[in-house]
Amino acid sequence: GQQVMQIPQYQHVQEGEDFTTYCNSSTTLSNIQWYKQRPGGHPVFLIQLVKSGEVKKQKRLTFQFGEAKKNSSLHITATQTTDVGTYFCTAGGTSYGKLTFGQGTILTVHP
Amino acid sequence: EADIYQTPRYLVIGTGKKITLECSQTMGHDKMYWYQQDPGMELHLIHYSYGVNSTEKGDLSSESTVSRIRTEHFPLTLESARPSHTSQYLCASRKGQGLKNTEAFFGQGTRLTVV
Repeated sequence: GQQVMQIPQYQHVQEGEDFTTYCNSSTTLSNIQWYKQRPGGHPVFLIQLVKSGEVKKQKRLTFQFGEAKKNSSLHITATQTTDVGTYFCTAGGTSYGKLTFGQGTILTVHP
Repeated sequence: EADIYQTPRYLVIGTGKKITLECSQTMGHDKMYWYQQDPGMELHLIHYSYGVNSTEKGDLSSESTVSRIRTEHFPLTLESARPSHTSQYLCASRKGQGLKNTEAFFGQGTRLTVV
C-alpha cells in the first residue's frame, strides 16, 4: 500500500456532535479503504472508494474520495457512544500485496 | 463473520522462551499479514505473504519469523521472547487480485506479555 497520513490523531466529542477524520497522500491513490477498530477489538472493514470525487454513505457515516484522488474523509453525523474507536485508512497502489495503514484517529464520545 | 482464527488469544511467557503464534483462515485467501499493535497505537506491518512459499518483511523491523507452507496457515515465531516483544499481534488475510485492493479480514489478535 501507499503511505497515507491521518489527522487528527485524537478527537474528543460530545454525543450528538459531528466528527471528521482525514486521510492524505502526496501521491495519487488508486483506491482507499476505511476500517474501524473498537477498543479491545480488531479492525473491521467499512468501505472502499475507487472513483475520483466518490461519495458513499452508510447511515450516519459519509465517506469521500477527493477529486485528485490524494485525500479522503470520513464524516460521522451526530455521533453516538457506539462510534467510539479508532478509524484507520489504507490506500491501494503499486506495491503488490502490501497493506499498510495510516496512524489512525482515536474517537472518544462523551455521553 | 470472517473465518480467520488466531491462537492463543492471550499468552504470558518468560524471557528467552520460543513461541509460535498461530493464524489460520478458511477463505482460501492468498495474501496474509502480521501486524504488531500497542494499545491505542498504529498497526505496524511486520510480515506479509503473497501466497504459499512467499514471505516478505514489513515496514517495522521485527525479530520474529514467519512461514507459509499452506495457503490457510501463516504462523509467526519468536525464537527468544523478550519483554520488548510485549504487544498485541494481529493477523489478517485478503483475496489476491493482483494490484487490486480487496477487503482485509482480521483475526481477534494475540495479546503477548513477556515477563
